[in-house]
Amino acid sequence: AQTIHQWPVAEIKAVGSPLSLGCTIKGKSSPNLYWYWQATGGTLQQLFYSITVGQVESVVQLNLSASRPKDDQFILSTEKLLLSHSGFYLCAWSRGGSSYEQYFGPGTRLTVL
Amino acid sequence: GEKVEQHESTLSVREGDSAVINCTYTDTASSYFPWYKQEAGKGLHFVIDIRSNVDRKQSQRLIVLLDKKAKRFSLHITATQPEDSAIYFCAASMQQGTGSKLSFGKGAKLTVSP
Repeated sequence: AQTIHQWPVAEIKAVGSPLSLGCTIKGKSSPNLYWYWQATGGTLQQLFYSITVGQVESVVQLNLSASRPKDDQFILSTEKLLLSHSGFYLCAWSRGGSSYEQYFGPGTRLTVL
Repeated sequence: GEKVEQHESTLSVREGDSAVINCTYTDTASSYFPWYKQEAGKGLHFVIDIRSNVDRKQSQRLIVLLDKKAKRFSLHITATQPEDSAIYFCAASMQQGTGSKLSFGKGAKLTVSP
């Protein structure tokens, strides 16, 4: 069975500080990977997706970047956090090819002060 | 781009009643419509989906209806139970490369009271 793990569970960071959030998928080779952001009490917005190692497509510009250094790992980062980056970050995976179903991780709660 | 509107922001039902959550979408190219459930402070849990080649799908107490002409789809939860209480998100998807872009509604908070 596939499992998706996100780290850290929660972060409290200062404005202007760097950030790195991680996501790992186990039990599935060559998944499509996705990052989503959810404002407190709001809907989800897709930020990035990746279909293969080293390739990341940006969907929405929020002064964030993403990388896929390994087949099973997806990293979200920024060098300078903004207050507006606060929220819930969710990683998701789907099977490659034309399959659509996305399966979400438990999320990381980010508070920027 | 695709815009998904979720019409109910909150709804309350009594245990055993049915609940209906309605969504509309704008892009006729959307071909896949999943529903997700989110409990407080947790990630999204896939509930049920429907593809554009059918207009109805049922999985136990869950029924999804799709009206492509009206660009509308809905989730029906029958015989509701207190554990159905959560926020339900509808989404619409189209291909992007070999990935897929999910556009979400704003969520509907369902409360099922005993």
